Amino acid sequence: DAKTTQPNSMESNEEEPVHLPCNHSTISGTDYIHWYRQLPSQGPEYVIHGLTSNVNNRMASLAIAEDRKSSTLILHRATLRDAAVYYCIHDRSGSARQLTFGSGTQLTVLP
Amino acid sequence: ETGVTQSPTHLIKTRGQQVTLRCSSQSGHNTVSWYQQALGQGPQFIFQYYREEENGRGNFPPRFSGLQFPNYSSELNVNALELDDSALYLCASSFKLAGDQLFFGEGSRLTVL
Repeated sequence: DAKTTQPNSMESNEEEPVHLPCNHSTISGTDYIHWYRQLPSQGPEYVIHGLTSNVNNRMASLAIAEDRKSSTLILHRATLRDAAVYYCIHDRSGSARQLTFGSGTQLTVLP
Repeated sequence: ETGVTQSPTHLIKTRGQQVTLRCSSQSGHNTVSWYQQALGQGPQFIFQYYREEENGRGNFPPRFSGLQFPNYSSELNVNALELDDSALYLCASSFKLAGDQLFFGEGSRLTVL
């Protein structure tokens, strides 16, 4: 079974970069890595996803290790609005899809 | 707002009853997946439907079943409800079978008494 692990919580100061780690040691060839964030009483919101190469978008960057067994979500300048639970997801495609969420990292942003 | 709508938003059932939850996908999306999120935990993948066929299932018993309709909307059915089925049930739609961005609804909160 796929296993995705994340730290329970992290803190950051406002306007500083944040690096959120995730281990997905069972990942294989065509499996994707997704990151979503969730506020209380809301559905998860897309942040970024990737396969092998590092990815950038307007919200964040995703750094994927060379062996792909870990990844890091980078928020370049944290704002108070970035406070949320961040989920790393191992997306196993193929004939039968499996999506395995990590337990999530609660990010606190300090003013 | 993602364009994915779920109904009902809240409901209360008693143990042993059956429940049906509904999800309307974002326009143009042919794939829908369902998740169970217990309080304080991360979502757990229940199953995915692609063009009306189940295409992947998590570690859930057969009393969790689903349907996808020709318009790509979907239902999640849970039979013989247990207390541990109390959770937020989320659906997500996407355009591709795999590796695509998921668009989540706000969820249906089920309480089993």
